[in-house]
Amino acid sequence: QKEVEQNSGPLSVPEGAIASLNCTYSDRGSQSFFWYRQYSGKSPELIMFIYSNGDKEDGRFTAQLNKASQYVSLLIRDSQPSDSATYLCAVHRGSTLGRLYFGRGTQLTVWP
Amino acid sequence: DTGVSQDPRHKITKRGQNVTFRCDPISEHNRLYWYRQTLGQGPEFLTYFQNEAQLEKSRLLSDRFSAERPKGSFSTLEIQRTEQGDSAMYLCAGVKTAQETQYFGPGTRLLVL
Repeated sequence: QKEVEQNSGPLSVPEGAIASLNCTYSDRGSQSFFWYRQYSGKSPELIMFIYSNGDKEDGRFTAQLNKASQYVSLLIRDSQPSDSATYLCAVHRGSTLGRLYFGRGTQLTVWP
Repeated sequence: DTGVSQDPRHKITKRGQNVTFRCDPISEHNRLYWYRQTLGQGPEFLTYFQNEAQLEKSRLLSDRFSAERPKGSFSTLEIQRTEQGDSAMYLCAGVKTAQETQYFGPGTRLLVL
């Protein structure tokens, strides 16, 4: 079982729709969760992080964390073509100083 | 702009050659991480430094790979006797003291022919 798994893509939504990206993790002791956006050929760019159960909103982005279900998601409201990218879920296990464990990413396409 | 720079941005080499990559974080980044990313995969951890101390190395970091951060500022990653399987994007990330968020540089794309 992989440390971090993301729902298989690619995901395609029309402009203005809500895009929902999902991620599960295997280590129940994981404490910190991150979403990165990666455009083709570029490096990952941080979108959001979340540490506590519940929702965290930042503009059009909402991260949701459910530690009991070992599940974290990212909602993108009013999706724009510029949101088309690969979204990477990343997890810190236990220690806050160590590595990030990344999922394979979900490719999102927002069509006009 | 994360303030993390990497050099070179692209490198093409022949199998068996040695290559060295450099990462320059900002001065506030006391921790520095190296990852490798192949097509269609998420980044995989290689190693990390806190100041000049190398605190953790992945099993991916074979004896052909070595990393240094001699003065706790810039870092280098060297690959000796490159193999075609080393072709990937090599990413460096910096973290500020007492924080968790890792900010990535632009990466170095390596192609081994």
